[in-house]
Order: sequence, then C-alpha cells, then structure tokens
Amino acid sequence: DVKVTQSSRYLVKRTGEKVFLECVQDMDHENMFWYRQDPGLGLRLIYFSYDVKMKEKGDIPEGYSVSREKKERFSLILESASTNQTSMYLCASYPRGAENIQYFGAGTRLSVL
Amino acid sequence: EDQVTQSPEALRLQEGESSSLNCSYTVSGLRGLFWYRQDPGKGPEFLFTLYSAGEEKEKERLKATLTKKESFLHITAPKPEDSATYLCAVQRDYGGATNKLIFGTGTLLAVQP
Repeated sequence: DVKVTQSSRYLVKRTGEKVFLECVQDMDHENMFWYRQDPGLGLRLIYFSYDVKMKEKGDIPEGYSVSREKKERFSLILESASTNQTSMYLCASYPRGAENIQYFGAGTRLSVL
Repeated sequence: EDQVTQSPEALRLQEGESSSLNCSYTVSGLRGLFWYRQDPGKGPEFLFTLYSAGEEKEKERLKATLTKKESFLHITAPKPEDSATYLCAVQRDYGGATNKLIFGTGTLLAVQP
C-alpha cells in the first residue's frame, strides 16, 4: 500500500514563527503536492513538485515556500506564520506517467495564534 | 474560469434510502473527473476516475456517471459506514506535463441507522 506520512497531526504556532510541515512518501513517486483545506473553500493547491529540486506554484502560493531535496520528501515552509494560515494542510503524491490518482496523507491541522 | 461545484453541501439519509450527489464543472479540455471519499480527520481516499461522457464505474454501493457538464455519484441502499465527505475533482488539459486537480467543496453525507 502507498503510504504518505505527514510528520505532525496537530501543530500550534505563534504569529511570525517559521513553520515546517514535512511529508514523506514511500512509493518512489515523482509528483508531490501540498494543499490546504478550509470549510467552504475545498482543497486549494499551494505548490507542487514533479521531481527532485523542481517546484511549481499552485493557485495560492503567497506566504509559502517548498523544498524537495530528496524524492521521497516534500516540505512546506511558512516563512512567517500568520493567523490566516490556520488550516488543514494535506500532502499528496502520484507516480509520473500514471493516472492522476493522488494518494493523500492524513493531514496536519495547523493553528496560528 | 475553471470551476467545480458540488451539491448538495450536506445530505442526511436513512439507512437504505438511495440518493445521488452532483458535481457540475466548467473546464476546457477535461482530462478526467475524480471522486474521493474523506473521513473525518483523514486525507481523501480515491474512489473513481471517469474520462469520457457516458462512462460509468461502480464499487459496492457506489456508482459514478459522467456527462459533458456533470457527474453523479449514486449511492444505493447506503449504510452508516458510507457516512463521509465526498469530493469531486477535475483534471484539465494544460497543454503540458502539469497534472493539477481542481477540487469542489464536497458533499457531507450522513447515513442514519
């Protein structure tokens, strides 16, 4: 079974802190994604990566950056956390050349106070 | 602008009471329509992919259908364990290797015994 693991289920941070959200997948997938999920807005794509060291902006990249130094790991970085970044963050992956069936992690619920 | 709209937002059914969830979309160059199930506190889990109008797929009590403008997720004789949020997503042809999904806001289904 494909496993996508997000390092934290719950995080509480202060405004202005630098926050790292980590995602690891164990199936050698090239494509990895970061979404945020908010009530009434659905899942919105923040950033994605189609290979090591490659990244592309999604629909709402402002205030975020990402890092993909190894194929299995995709990190989302909040440079200076703000209260409007309080949300559920979901990581997903799928292999290159395959159907776009994305496998999701369990999510990280981030609260910024 | 690409858009995915799901209705109703919430649906409450009695066990055994069949119904349908709707996903309407406006997107140019549809490359696929995806249905996911999301349980509370978990990431979305893939159910179906549909690629062309007229296509149907089934899994247990669920059947997904696709027309040129919308998709339906039919639930036949639901059980309480079918309670979840059902998400619809479309993949658009961006003319390159980018395979992004655009998600709807979901339908929260509650099946009462």
